[in-house]
Amino acid sequence: DAGVTQSPTHLIKTRGQQVTLRCSPKSGHDTVSWYQQALGQGPQFIFQYYEEEERQRGNFPDRFSGHQFPNYSSELNVNALLLGDSALYLCASSLVTDTQYFGPGTRLTVL
Amino acid sequence: SQQGEEDPQALSIQEGENATMNCSYKTSINNLQWYRQNSGRGLVHLILIRSNEREKHSGRLRVTLDTSKKSSSLLITASRAADTASYFCAYYQGAQKLVFGQGTRLTINP
Repeated sequence: DAGVTQSPTHLIKTRGQQVTLRCSPKSGHDTVSWYQQALGQGPQFIFQYYEEEERQRGNFPDRFSGHQFPNYSSELNVNALLLGDSALYLCASSLVTDTQYFGPGTRLTVL
Repeated sequence: SQQGEEDPQALSIQEGENATMNCSYKTSINNLQWYRQNSGRGLVHLILIRSNEREKHSGRLRVTLDTSKKSSSLLITASRAADTASYFCAYYQGAQKLVFGQGTRLTINP
């Protein structure tokens, strides 16, 4: 049973560019959440998708947007990258709001 | 901002000793979860304790929950080098948003 997968593993971008991160949920899961984790900090909730709709959003600007596809996979898009967007981006999938299963993350470096 | 607080921020012990980490939170919760993270990679779910439970065990892990004090503790017994990691408590704020603390960085020395 495949767990949560994310791509790419690492990514280097320059300020002002745009980036797309991808996530495939654990088999049988229909809900995907995205988190940003700065170095030395705990993950912070960006948003959650269910049935292709954004259900809840954390305290992140509109530069952060997402999408969920009919097969439940998801994308996180970040526009106009800032140096402060450098972080580990984590995707988590779930079926109910008890346990979220996390992928290995995408390390984004903005230069 | 983080709304969970872990204590201590860092802990270094000898292999074989027990490690205890504490977590405090600020709101009413239905359950509280503990996760482990190795070397800045993905989080691994360790254990979930519901608000009507006071203690839960899983292998070498023991979690307690005191809802009157809004606090939880994670005990790892007979620590091993492989337990070296960061440990986070997390709880739901609303139905979707999982809130994490800043974590405890645990180092097991051989």
